[in-house]
Amino acid sequence: GIQVEQSPPDLILQEGANSTLRCNFSDSVNNLQWFHQNPWGQLINLFYIPSGTKQNGRLSATTVATERYSLLYISSSQTTDSGVYFCAVEGWNAGNMLTFGGGTRLMVKP
Amino acid sequence: KAGVTQTPRYLIKTRGQQVTLSCSPISGHRSVSWYQQTPGQGLQFLFEYFSETQRNKGNFPGRFSGRQFSNSRSEMNVSTLELGDSALYLCASSLDSGLRFQETQYFGPGTRLLVL
Repeated sequence: GIQVEQSPPDLILQEGANSTLRCNFSDSVNNLQWFHQNPWGQLINLFYIPSGTKQNGRLSATTVATERYSLLYISSSQTTDSGVYFCAVEGWNAGNMLTFGGGTRLMVKP
Repeated sequence: KAGVTQTPRYLIKTRGQQVTLSCSPISGHRSVSWYQQTPGQGLQFLFEYFSETQRNKGNFPGRFSGRQFSNSRSEMNVSTLELGDSALYLCASSLDSGLRFQETQYFGPGTRLLVL
């Protein structure tokens, strides 16, 4: 099946800093989503981005489908950005089955 | 529009028991998927239901089963619980309108199961 790798696994930032999270996947995808998991376990949708670039406030994401990677940018980080960020992909014949990466655990210090 | 809801939110069971978890999708969503999250294995796909039929299944033993009702609500059942079944169980719903490039999955808050 499709493999998803995220880097870095852990990231510690000072409030106000910028960061880039990376997601590499091993095959063509029909769907790619970025999620933020809050301390209570809820997965919050950030972006649905199988290709192209999107922006939402301080967050933006870019997926280069031909090169099989996606990037999540966080600018001017805040303590509330802390948590785990997951990339999940759906292969072309995978139905609605998402394969998740291992996540990037972000800690933003005041 | 209300989000995906899951009940119960927390559950404690003992080995050998069985458990049933419930998921109500976003109104109008027809596909419901279930995922297991553990510290060791991360987030793994269990199964997906659409129109009361299991459409996809992950690599889990037969002790894990599910069903979907005509109103799209779904339940998953785990029989003969093992210690390793302790996990966060997440449910996700999507519209599944047939437009394959517009299918965002939305997750519920999860059910945290502890097996003693």
